[in-house]
Amino acid sequence: DVKVTQSSRYLVKRTGEKVFLECVQDMDHENMFWYRQDPGLGLRLIYFSYDVKMKEKGDIPEGYSVSREKKERFSLILESASTNQTSMYLCASSLSAPPRTGKNSNQPQHFGDGTRLSIL
Amino acid sequence: LAKTTQPISMDSYEGQEVNITCSHNNIATNDYITWYQQFPSQGPRFIIQGYKTKVTNEVASLFIPADRKSSTLSLPRVSLSDTAVYYCLVPTNAGNNRKLIWGLGTSLAVNP
Repeated sequence: DVKVTQSSRYLVKRTGEKVFLECVQDMDHENMFWYRQDPGLGLRLIYFSYDVKMKEKGDIPEGYSVSREKKERFSLILESASTNQTSMYLCASSLSAPPRTGKNSNQPQHFGDGTRLSIL
Repeated sequence: LAKTTQPISMDSYEGQEVNITCSHNNIATNDYITWYQQFPSQGPRFIIQGYKTKVTNEVASLFIPADRKSSTLSLPRVSLSDTAVYYCLVPTNAGNNRKLIWGLGTSLAVNP
């Protein structure tokens, strides 16, 4: 079974801090994703990466950056945390081609259990 | 503008069949429609995916009409443990790029 591990289940930080959320997958997947999930808004894509050192903006990238130095690890960075970034953050990985192109690119995504981040 | 619509909530009883429909305009050709299940405090979990007609696995069936403008997840004989939120994920055309669009989720409550 694919395992996607997020470094923290719960995290509390202060406004203005730089926050790092880490995600590791163990199945050699090309694609990795960061989402945030808020009540009534579903899952919203922040960034995704289809290869090492490659990244693409999702729907809500403002206030976030990402890093993918190794294939198995995808980090989400809140440059200067704000209270409106309090949310559940979900990491996912999937096999195959970038989501933007090619047949069968909507391959199953495997999710971690999320990090509930509170910014005070 | 690509959009995916599914009911906000549904109620059912143990042993019944439950059908959840997701409507999607502007769906991209040549790509799967995928459904996920999410329990509280967990990430979504893949259930089933299909391209057209009908797909069945050990937990669900997926019905997709020829025009692919909707898809229906069918859960046979639900139990209390099927209480969860169900999401569709659909490939759509967004200008020159293909984009994956999530539905907002259907909260299914299974009652004794």
